[in-house]
Amino acid sequence: SQTIHQWPATLVQPVGSPLSLECTVEGTSNPNLYWYRQAAGRGLQLLFYSIGIGQISSEVPQNLSASRPQDRQFILSSKKLLLSDSGFYLCALGVFGNTIYFGEGSWLTVV
Amino acid sequence: DQQVKQNSPSLSVQEGRISILNCDYTNSMFDYFLWYKKYPAEGPTFLISISSIKDKNEDGRFTVFLNKSAKHLSLHIVPSQPGDSAVYFCAASGGLGPGGGADGLTFGKGTHLIIQP
Repeated sequence: SQTIHQWPATLVQPVGSPLSLECTVEGTSNPNLYWYRQAAGRGLQLLFYSIGIGQISSEVPQNLSASRPQDRQFILSSKKLLLSDSGFYLCALGVFGNTIYFGEGSWLTVV
Repeated sequence: DQQVKQNSPSLSVQEGRISILNCDYTNSMFDYFLWYKKYPAEGPTFLISISSIKDKNEDGRFTVFLNKSAKHLSLHIVPSQPGDSAVYFCAASGGLGPGGGADGLTFGKGTHLIIQP
């Protein structure tokens, strides 16, 4: 079965500091991978989509970037965090039938 | 512009009764709809989905109804149980490929369901 691992689970970062969230998936190959964000009082917003190694598309202009160095690894990064980057970040795996499965999520608080 | 709307931020239902969560959409290109359940500090878990070629899909206590002409779908939970207390997200997709392809899924803001004993 497919599993999604995401870390760290929680982190508190000062404004202007860098960010790296990692996601790995198991039990599948050539997955469609996504990063979503849930900000306070809002729904889930698609940030990045990747169909394969080195292939990233961005849905929303922002202070974040994503990379896919390996087939089953997806990384979300920032060089300098803003207060507005606070939120719950979710890595997700696309599966058959337009369904996606989410990881456990990472809580980011920028102070 | 919010393409998927869940107009009830919260809903309180007595245990054993039916819970009905509603969702409206505006994009006619959406052809696949999903419901997710989310507990605090956890990732959403997939509950049930429906294709636009159907008007009903059932899985145990969960049934999703789709009214394409009204661009409306609903999730029925019967009977409601304490463990059903969570935030429920409606999502829609019009893209191609697993996960909705490059477009991903478009989510509503969620409805917080509270099951009272």
